[in-house]
Amino acid sequence: AQSVTQLGSHVSVSEGALVLLRCNYSSSVPPYLFWYVQYPNQGLQLLLKYTSAATLVKGINGFEAEFKKSETSFHLTKPSAHMSDAAEYFCAVSGGTDKLIFGTGTRLQVFP
Amino acid sequence: ETGVTQTPRHLVMGMTNKKSLKCEQHLGHNAMYWYKQSAKKPLELMFVYSLEERVENNSVPSRFSPECPNSSHLFLHLHTLQPEDSALYLCASSQERSNQADSGANVLTFGAGSRLTVL
Repeated sequence: AQSVTQLGSHVSVSEGALVLLRCNYSSSVPPYLFWYVQYPNQGLQLLLKYTSAATLVKGINGFEAEFKKSETSFHLTKPSAHMSDAAEYFCAVSGGTDKLIFGTGTRLQVFP
Repeated sequence: ETGVTQTPRHLVMGMTNKKSLKCEQHLGHNAMYWYKQSAKKPLELMFVYSLEERVENNSVPSRFSPECPNSSHLFLHLHTLQPEDSALYLCASSQERSNQADSGANVLTFGAGSRLTVL
């Protein structure tokens, strides 16, 4: 069985600052890990995914995430926030044939 | 039209009404999903169809009835709903590979959702 915990339901940063959104997972099998983003009034879209290849995964819009097995973490980062990054971000985990389990989401606010 | 399209985008209904949500995907995918998104809760998987066959039903109340007439269309029929059923209902699709051993790696493509309000 899998589960995922996103620490912090809200994160606020200034434009140009580092973005760090935290995700910890639990999985009884080698996990697949995903970050999805949801802009206002839209569905979720894939930012990036980890499927046991490189531990540092690069996604769209300058985001990246690092899989750390020892810490059971898959935190999402972006070196410099942009106003257009304001959205809700969801971490998700699956494994083997199991379906995706989503976290509760983190709402990112970016201030000018 | 490309991607996953959901209609209507907004729906208000009384508890005694019957309505349906529609989802259409233009991606050639062979699996479709219904998720419920409520405030401050994780997305809840409701139903999964693979090759038009229901493969998962996550203990969803019978007042929600899915229908998948073909691999491109998915419906969610609603009747005698409760106010707590008010939520954003998201449809998604994916391409299930013939080797199901790593189907957990499949990427889902989501629609924009149908915002349901039950009065």
